[in-house]
Amino acid sequence: DTEVTQTPKHLVMGMTNKKSLKCEQHMGHRAMYWYKQKAKKPPELMFVYSYEKLSINESVPSRFSPECPNSSLLNLHLHALQPEDSALYLCASSQEAGTGHFFGPGTRLTVT
Amino acid sequence: KNEVEQSPQNLTAQEGEFITINCSYSVGISALHWLQQHPGGGIVSLFMLSSGKKKHGRLIATINIQEKHSSLHITASHPRDSAVYICAVTSLSGSARQLTFGSGTQLTVLP
Repeated sequence: DTEVTQTPKHLVMGMTNKKSLKCEQHMGHRAMYWYKQKAKKPPELMFVYSYEKLSINESVPSRFSPECPNSSLLNLHLHALQPEDSALYLCASSQEAGTGHFFGPGTRLTVT
Repeated sequence: KNEVEQSPQNLTAQEGEFITINCSYSVGISALHWLQQHPGGGIVSLFMLSSGKKKHGRLIATINIQEKHSSLHITASHPRDSAVYICAVTSLSGSARQLTFGSGTQLTVLP
């Protein structure tokens, strides 16, 4: 199994909703990442987990809350988002932090 | 100046043409990555390079560490190659060594 899966593929949520994005990999990778990508822009790093511990938080607002329940799973909990948070959210994993990334297909998030 | 610069930003080619996309970087790196993203889609990792040259099908990636430059070549281009191609580097600085991305090259191959 050499893929990263993400659910859901699409999500529409209101500004008062609470939702979660999920990411899963079974390649034994010890680093997992959340990226945010706006249209026609490169991905921006949000969070890095290394060995299930949060190692980087790129000054992301607290309305985004990451969670790594185990080495295969990565969640991103969303609460009280703003319309400008609408974007493609990409999960990735790598053997170790900084090595070759495997990207998931992304979740297209729309905040209304 | 961005740490990773790509050129061109946009490229339109006719089917069958040989295509080159360039990437220059200004930091010390442990690896350079070429990524592909189709419209509205996720990202596929095409190559990870630390030296020399790699080939996969019609795609060839080269890197010159001394000149801090890499190229992605597509031979016999096809409309299905139309996508954004992104160069990214894993820099030697920083504790977690995450990816630094270029701004991408939008490739359109016309039939």
